[in-house]
Amino acid sequence: LAKTTQPISMDSYEGQEVNITCSHNNIATNDYITWYQQFPSQGPRFIIQGYKTKVTNEVASLFIPADRKSSTLSLPRVSLSDTAVYYCLVGPMYNFNKFYFGSGTKLNVKP
Amino acid sequence: KAGVTQTPRYLIKTRGQQVTLSCSPISGHRSVSWYQQTPGQGLQFLFEYFSETQRNKGNFPGRFSGRQFSNSRSEMNVSTLELGDSALYLCASSPEAGVNEQYFGPGTRLTVT
Repeated sequence: LAKTTQPISMDSYEGQEVNITCSHNNIATNDYITWYQQFPSQGPRFIIQGYKTKVTNEVASLFIPADRKSSTLSLPRVSLSDTAVYYCLVGPMYNFNKFYFGSGTKLNVKP
Repeated sequence: KAGVTQTPRYLIKTRGQQVTLSCSPISGHRSVSWYQQTPGQGLQFLFEYFSETQRNKGNFPGRFSGRQFSNSRSEMNVSTLELGDSALYLCASSPEAGVNEQYFGPGTRLTVT
């Protein structure tokens, strides 16, 4: 499975847009990019998934350039409740049990 | 629809004892997976069950076992507990096996003393 690299932590203020970038240089043709959010002492929560270009849902947007070697999770107008760890996962569909969550990006939203 | 539920939420056991954790998936979901999360190792896959059959197993010793019932509810058992088994145990369910959109429960915090 493709190895991913994300920043260890990020700080932001309420109301700002936050962009978290994930590098996955050796992504395979059949790999998808999936992002999860995790609050302390809770299970991870699925945020968004995409294969190429741009995907948007009610929570976030996912931008994937043409070469797919990186992706950016965009959280619009964050609030204090968005303080969490965000994980970028890359791998083929139907292979979730092999995904490696890593350390993720700790997003700290300040008032 | 109710989410994934796990019981108990917190558990304290002594070394050498065994423990059974329970997971009820979202209604209609047939796949249940178990994960162990620790500060040092992160989130690690234990095993996955689909239609009462173990579909995949992670790299954990045989002390860790699980099963799934006909109503898709699942249990995992850890025998001969060790201090290193202290962790947050998470259960996740999905309609199909192995899909990338998994629904996680709140977890069971196991402390081994």
